[in-house]
Amino acid sequence: KAGVTQTPRYLIKTRGQQVTLSCSPISGHRSVSWYQQTPGQGLQFLFEYFSETQRNKGNFPGRFSGRQFSNSRSEMNVSTLELGDSALYLCASSLSGTAQETQYFGPGTRLLVL
Amino acid sequence: GQNIDQPTEMTATEGAIVQINCTYQTSGFNGLFWYQQHAGEAPTFLSYNVLDGLEEKGRFSSFLSRSKGYSYLLLKELQMKDSASYLCAVRVSGGSYIPTFGRGTSLIVHP
Repeated sequence: KAGVTQTPRYLIKTRGQQVTLSCSPISGHRSVSWYQQTPGQGLQFLFEYFSETQRNKGNFPGRFSGRQFSNSRSEMNVSTLELGDSALYLCASSLSGTAQETQYFGPGTRLLVL
Repeated sequence: GQNIDQPTEMTATEGAIVQINCTYQTSGFNGLFWYQQHAGEAPTFLSYNVLDGLEEKGRFSSFLSRSKGYSYLLLKELQMKDSASYLCAVRVSGGSYIPTFGRGTSLIVHP
């Protein structure tokens, strides 16, 4: 079974631009979560999607948004990029995102904002 | 809110045993995960504890004490490839099943 895939793997943008990242979960997984990882803050939860609906949301500003498609693929968008948005963005999938389930992570998209 | 503490960095010698501790203070508890993350790679699942006690899986074992809000990951017969960051994550009960991650412990294994 193929793992979680994320595209692109690396991205360089400038302040004020916007960016869209993509995540394809493991086949059959319907829950997709997004995380931001930085050296200073560690892994921080952005949001989770299940059946095309945002089910949970972390404490990030409205510049961070996402969506999920009917095939469970998910995208996240960051508008008006700031230098502090430079980070590794990870997505993780699980069957339905309920208790006892393990999340499986993709390789991440490394975003650099100049 | 949730508070999860792990040491920032640890060093150990190849072939030795190392214990990485994780303490947590959360509103409710519904399981604790350990993940391994090599530099530049995705976190990979190591273990999941929801009941007190020790779970052994090859060279890796994970222990949980819910009353003490404490867990540890024990790595035996250390190998150079075990050099990585180890993330402790706690899932709380009563709502979202999204785990909260600690900042990770960077383990350096030297010859």
